[in-house]
Amino acid sequence: DVKVTQSSRYLVKRTGEKVFLECVQDMDHENMFWYRQDPGLGLRLIYFSYDVKMKEKGDIPEGYSVSREKKERFSLILESASTNQTSMYLCASRPGQRDTIYFGEGSWLTVV
Amino acid sequence: EDKVVQSPLSLVVHEGDTVTLNCSYEVTNFRSLLWYKQEKKAPTFLFMLTSSGIEKKSGRLSSILDKKELFSILNITATQTGDSAVYLCAVFSRGYQKVTFGTGTKLQVIP
Repeated sequence: DVKVTQSSRYLVKRTGEKVFLECVQDMDHENMFWYRQDPGLGLRLIYFSYDVKMKEKGDIPEGYSVSREKKERFSLILESASTNQTSMYLCASRPGQRDTIYFGEGSWLTVV
Repeated sequence: EDKVVQSPLSLVVHEGDTVTLNCSYEVTNFRSLLWYKQEKKAPTFLFMLTSSGIEKKSGRLSSILDKKELFSILNITATQTGDSAVYLCAVFSRGYQKVTFGTGTKLQVIP
């Protein structure tokens, strides 16, 4: 079974703090994604990566950065958290060009 | 810009009702459309559709794609409280790593 693991399920951070969300997949997938999910807005793509050290901006990259130093790990970084970044963050991976995507359990972030 | 729109955004039904969820899309180089169910955890895969007019079925759930009119529907018959979830539609494009998701439909089934 493919496993996508998000290490932090629930976090509460203060405005201005730096936040790291980690995601690890165990199936050697080339592509990894970070989405945020908000009611009525669906899943919006923040960043994705198609290879180690490669990254591309998604639809809403402002206020976020990412790191992919190893194929299995894709990190989302909030340099200075703000209250409007309170959301549920979903990591996903996709093998090559196959039409299938595997999700992590999600990380619920509250910024106060 | 690629776009996937789901309707309705939310819906409340009684157990035993039949529901139809809609997903329309405008994407470049369409290849496939997937439906996912999301409870309070990771979305789980339901169906993948690539060809028009061929119904996919799993128990009380079924789905069909219309590539001419650019939409898909997901039907759930004899709904149960366990069907309460957000249903997501996703579209894959040829030669492109990005996956475009719809807004989701939140379904609540009440006893």
